[in-house]
Amino acid sequence: DTEVTQTPKHLVMGMTNKKSLKCEQHMGHRAMYWYKQKAKKPPELMFVYSYEKLSINESVPSRFSPECPNSSLLNLHLHALQPEDSALYLCASSQEVGYEQYFGPGTRLTVT
Amino acid sequence: QKEVEQNSGPLSVPEGAIASLNCTYSDRVSQSFFWYRQYSGKSPELIMSIYSNGDKEDGRFTAQLNKASQYVSLLIRDSQPSDSATYLCAVRYSGYSTLTFGKGTMLLVSP
Repeated sequence: DTEVTQTPKHLVMGMTNKKSLKCEQHMGHRAMYWYKQKAKKPPELMFVYSYEKLSINESVPSRFSPECPNSSLLNLHLHALQPEDSALYLCASSQEVGYEQYFGPGTRLTVT
Repeated sequence: QKEVEQNSGPLSVPEGAIASLNCTYSDRVSQSFFWYRQYSGKSPELIMSIYSNGDKEDGRFTAQLNKASQYVSLLIRDSQPSDSATYLCAVRYSGYSTLTFGKGTMLLVSP
C-alpha cells in the first residue's frame, strides 16, 4: 500500500484566517515532505522532515509553519497568507530522505 | 546549479504508437532517477525508478538510463489516450538528499 492521504481536498481562506493542512501515511516511511505546485510548474519543495525532525526548510515564509506530531502525521499551519500563495499543496513520503517519494492527492488552496 | 531539462512539449502521438520522453541532467555521478505521471489537476504518481545504466521495464513502460551521456528516457509502448498527461523527470543529485524535478513534458495521445 503506497497511500498518502491529505485533508482537506479544497480550502478557501481569507488573508486573515488561520487554517491547517493535514497529511497522513501508514507505510512506515521516516521522511515526509511538503511541496507547493503552481499551474504548469513542477512541484517546489518547501519542507522536509526526517525521523520527525525538520531537516530542510527551503526559505519558506514564516506564514507557513510545519509540524510533525508523530511519524505518520504531517501538518502545515497557514496564517496571514497572500493571494499568490494559492496553489496545490502536496504532501509526500519516502522510506528515507532521498528515496522514491509517494505523493498524496494534494490540497487545492485558494487565498482570497 | 543542478537542473533537470525536459522538452515541455506537447508531444503528440497516435494511439498505439511508442511515446519517447527524454530528460537530461547535469552530472555523471547521480544515482537515482524517477519518472512521475501527473494528470491535469491531480498529484504526481510515481511510475518508474531507475538506478543503474540500461533499461528497466514495467508493463508498457521502459525507463532507459545512460549515465555517460547524462540522460534518462521513458518509453511508453502501445500508447493509449489515458496516457495523456504531463510526465515529470526527477533526479537525486549526488550530495543532495532531495529530488530535483524537471518542468515536465506534456504527452497527448490521440485516438
